Amino acid sequence: KQEVTQIPAALSVPEGENLVLNCSFTDSAIYNLQWFRQDPGKGLTSLLLIQSSQREQTSGRLNASLDKSSGRSTLYIAASQPGDSATYLCAVPSSGSARQLTFGSGTQLTVLP
Amino acid sequence: GAGVSQSPSNKVTEKGKDVELRCDPISGHTALYWYRQSLGQGLEFLIYFQGNSAPDKSGLPSDRFSAERTGGSVSTLTIQRTQQEDSAVYLCASSLRPWLESQETQYFGPGTRLLVL
Repeated sequence: KQEVTQIPAALSVPEGENLVLNCSFTDSAIYNLQWFRQDPGKGLTSLLLIQSSQREQTSGRLNASLDKSSGRSTLYIAASQPGDSATYLCAVPSSGSARQLTFGSGTQLTVLP
Repeated sequence: GAGVSQSPSNKVTEKGKDVELRCDPISGHTALYWYRQSLGQGLEFLIYFQGNSAPDKSGLPSDRFSAERTGGSVSTLTIQRTQQEDSAVYLCASSLRPWLESQETQYFGPGTRLLVL
């Protein structure tokens, strides 16, 4: 059974700092990995999708990397801003036909002005 | 274009009552998923639809939970005889099911916050 772990559980940084969020998964036979953002009381916003054949994906100040063999992904946020404060979740699909996502427990990020 | 929408956004009910939660997926998305997010449990999968059929119901926590999808579009999640432990945020997601599975992205709605008193 796939298990997804995220560390740290919470992170507080001053504005402008670069930071890294970590995600690890136990079954490396994945199609892709998705990073999501969740604001308090809101749904999930998809940030980045890294396909299994890719090593990294970039969107603006966000860069996500994937190392399937070691079962790890990182989300790098450059020049953090208070508006980046949210919970960040990583998720991988199951290998069956449903491809339902297994989520990590998330990293709650606070960027202080 | 319009994203995934869910209604109601909030629902407060009394223990023992039935509730219906609705999801409108992105137009043209053939796959639809229901997930539940509760304190201490994180996000967990409930059920998956491909078109109108539900080949995977493995995540439904009990027989009080059921779901249907009609016209390959709108889905309804029904919880009968609600219990306090059913209190959670119920999230719906849809995807296009591209031919290349590695390209599949799931798009989530805002969720329905259910509180059972």
